Amino acid sequence: GAVVSQHPSWVICKSGTSVKIECRSLDFQATTMFWYRQFPKQSLMLMATSNEGSKATYEQGVEKDKFLINHASLTLSTLTVTSAHPEDSSFYICSARVGGGQPQHFGDGTRLSIL
Amino acid sequence: QKEVEQDPGPLSVPEGAIVSLNCTYSNSAFQYFMWYRQYSRKGPELLMYTYSSGNKEDGRFTAQVDKSSKYISLFIRDSQPSDSATYLCAMVYNQGGKLIFGQGTELSVKP
Repeated sequence: GAVVSQHPSWVICKSGTSVKIECRSLDFQATTMFWYRQFPKQSLMLMATSNEGSKATYEQGVEKDKFLINHASLTLSTLTVTSAHPEDSSFYICSARVGGGQPQHFGDGTRLSIL
Repeated sequence: QKEVEQDPGPLSVPEGAIVSLNCTYSNSAFQYFMWYRQYSRKGPELLMYTYSSGNKEDGRFTAQVDKSSKYISLFIRDSQPSDSATYLCAMVYNQGGKLIFGQGTELSVKP
């Protein structure tokens, strides 16, 4: 149980394009979803927290106009990297949680490469 | 000082060894404790979740929490090459809180 699917797993695109990443909880309803960024050999850095039907809460230093998050249903959240540039290249990982006091379950990540 | 300290390793052990992974934390307000395993280019996988002091066992894995010393451990018995991964400790202040991660320990189990 507690499977989180993330798609795509790897995307390469040109500078200036927008990229959408999907995160789905397959066998549970997630009241809260999270988006992380991870650089090589480093731990996960939280970008934003989203609750279904509400606006996402972004961490300090994360540009909300650059990283658009939509959590339209209890099983789907999307992250759109708008006008992506090479410095946005990274490993993006989502997680989902049933409710407070429950652990987060992670997707397998999306490797984003901007040329 | 970081909220959660974890030795990044790398840690290399022979197959069959008992592995001990540790994290210390500075704030006694942490209530929930987790261990995740992350293979290269994959997302973290939840191994253990606990919220009380003491031991919790699941197969070859034992999680230990000592709130008085602000110290958590993960023990892996009969380690296998397939256990080679990065192990992340994580903790949460309260039910709705965000995860605070350690740096992760890179483990290599040699056949």
